[in-house]
Amino acid sequence: GNSVTQMEGPVTLSEEAFLTINCTYTATGYPSLFWYVQYPGEGLQLLLKATKADDKGSNKGFEATYRKETTSFHLEKGSVQVSDSAVYFCALSSYNNNDMRFGAGTRLTVKP
Amino acid sequence: EPEVTQTPSHQVTQMGQEVILRCVPISNHLYFYWYRQILGQKVEFLVSFYNNEISEKSEIFDDQFSVERPDGSNFTLKIRSTKLEDSAMYFCASSDNRGLGNQPQHFGDGTRLSIL
Repeated sequence: GNSVTQMEGPVTLSEEAFLTINCTYTATGYPSLFWYVQYPGEGLQLLLKATKADDKGSNKGFEATYRKETTSFHLEKGSVQVSDSAVYFCALSSYNNNDMRFGAGTRLTVKP
Repeated sequence: EPEVTQTPSHQVTQMGQEVILRCVPISNHLYFYWYRQILGQKVEFLVSFYNNEISEKSEIFDDQFSVERPDGSNFTLKIRSTKLEDSAMYFCASSDNRGLGNQPQHFGDGTRLSIL
């Protein structure tokens, strides 16, 4: 079945450091891929998405590229801020079904 | 920007009691979902709902669970006889995907359910 694996956390970085959170997936067909962010005490917010191979999703300085050859969708940001501290979830959904599969989440803490 | 709203934000219930979690999806969305997140664990799919019926459900969604869209705006999750292991954060989501998986789901802030 479809599944998502993302790097174990927690990740602690200093402000302005480079961020990578790895995500790989297993799916039949051509899934759509998403990154969601969960700030403390809040729900899941869509951060970015990509719906086909080689698409790059981007938002708020975050980027992720849909790599079909490596079945990956790694999240990157060139310079993190304290306000980026949150839990990040990689997720996928298939074209023909509606349940979204989430990775385990990676907690990011950015220190000033 | 329209958003999914969930009430209550925190529900405390005695084991064995029934609980109803409420959600108001985004008004023009057609698909509705419930997920749960046990503390410290991943977000797990429970059920999706379209055209007034369940379209998919996971193995977690057993006979103790039910969903309903009682009117044009609310979408509810009922747990008939709660167990300690039902303690979790429950998220409602909606999407305008008309069956296509490439549309994002929009999530509410969740209801924290605590079973005593």
